[in-house]
Amino acid sequence: GQSLEQPSEVTAVEGAIVQINCTYQTSGFYGLSWYQQHDGGAPTFLSYNALDGLEETGRFSSFLSRSDSYGYLLLQELQMKDSASYFCAYSILTGGGNKLTFGTGTQLKVEL
Amino acid sequence: NAGVTQTPKFQVLKTGQSMTLQCAQDMNHEYMSWYRQDPGMGLRLIHYSVGAGITDQGEVPNGYNVSRSTTEDFPLRLLSAAPSQTSVYFCASSPKGRATEQYFGPGTRLTVT
Repeated sequence: GQSLEQPSEVTAVEGAIVQINCTYQTSGFYGLSWYQQHDGGAPTFLSYNALDGLEETGRFSSFLSRSDSYGYLLLQELQMKDSASYFCAYSILTGGGNKLTFGTGTQLKVEL
Repeated sequence: NAGVTQTPKFQVLKTGQSMTLQCAQDMNHEYMSWYRQDPGMGLRLIHYSVGAGITDQGEVPNGYNVSRSTTEDFPLRLLSAAPSQTSVYFCASSPKGRATEQYFGPGTRLTVT
């Protein structure tokens, strides 16, 4: 079947590094995306991995291992404003184009 | 650019009523999609479109219709509202060839009583 698994909640201290893991199971896998959503807000795009390896965007990095069906989002130098939900989403290529399937999200709490 | 806009922001319907959620984007994006998000859940794809005149079903299409007559607009119609359709609805768009990088509207909070 098709599924995504990520931890429901992660807590970390301001200034620390945190890693949010995501495992997936699907056929026709195309790539893995990460989105951030603050309470009451809309999701915003953070990162995308189509190939194995690490993609870095400022304090955020995302990693993909296609052979392990596994990826992670790495947040460095955590700030209070990073408290939010983080969703991984895989894309598959269909006749109608790419379709995204989202995980249920990881609630990140950043503490002083 | 206004980005992706959605109207209304809030809506209360009675069971059996119909309505249309509006979505528009001014970025000339080819790909548009509708999601619903229930408390503690991820986003579930309802319908999507890869261009004007082309639509396809997502994960939870039952009870919803869409059309894409222009590049800019992608309305979502609820045919006969049910309490199970109480949710937050997000519209998203993305540029050609980058459907994995989606830009979301602010959402419509719908309650069906």
